[in-house]
Amino acid sequence: RKEVEQDPGPFNVPEGATVAFNCTYSNSASQSFFWYRQDCRKEPKLLMSVYSSGNEDGRFTAQLNRASQYISLLIRDSKLSDSATYLCVVNMLSNGGADGLTFGKGTHLIIQP
Amino acid sequence: DARVTQTPRHKVTEMGQEVTMRCQPILGHNTVFWYRQTMMQGLELLAYFRNRAPLDDSGMPKDRFSAEMPDATLATLKIQPSEPRDSAVYFCASGSWGEQFFGPGTRLTVL
Repeated sequence: RKEVEQDPGPFNVPEGATVAFNCTYSNSASQSFFWYRQDCRKEPKLLMSVYSSGNEDGRFTAQLNRASQYISLLIRDSKLSDSATYLCVVNMLSNGGADGLTFGKGTHLIIQP
Repeated sequence: DARVTQTPRHKVTEMGQEVTMRCQPILGHNTVFWYRQTMMQGLELLAYFRNRAPLDDSGMPKDRFSAEMPDATLATLKIQPSEPRDSAVYFCASGSWGEQFFGPGTRLTVL
């Protein structure tokens, strides 16, 4: 079983719609969680951290469900510029360091005009 | 605006040649990573360093790949000899406190 699994998509969504995708992780001891965004032919960049209580950043909402071992990302009022690959990232370590990050293969999102 | 830099950005070489990729991490970051990304495998961790000491290189083919960090401002990844299956984008990242910052990558093509 892969450590971090995501639906690769692509998700084709009309502009203005709401889209959500999940990611599951296998290690119940995982400590911290992130969503990274990767544009075509660019490097991954941190989009947002995922906190146990859930968190929101503008049109983006991230949720964590430890019991079921999944995290989700919700994008409201989607924009053309949201088209990208979204990488689910899980940190297995508790030392707060940057090592121990495990990346999913990403979900490809296409926002259509 | 601090960022990770990588050179070269693109490299085309022939099978059997040596390839050296360089990375300058963000000043003050104590952890440096090398990743390889392909369509099939996604992002794979090759090796990483903490405070310049190699901590984990289990993701790297040891017979042909080597990673070093001669000083705090330079990390290198070498492939010798290169093979067509090494064609990929190689990312360097540096990190601190749970977040990793990626460089723009080296797009390697081995013919």
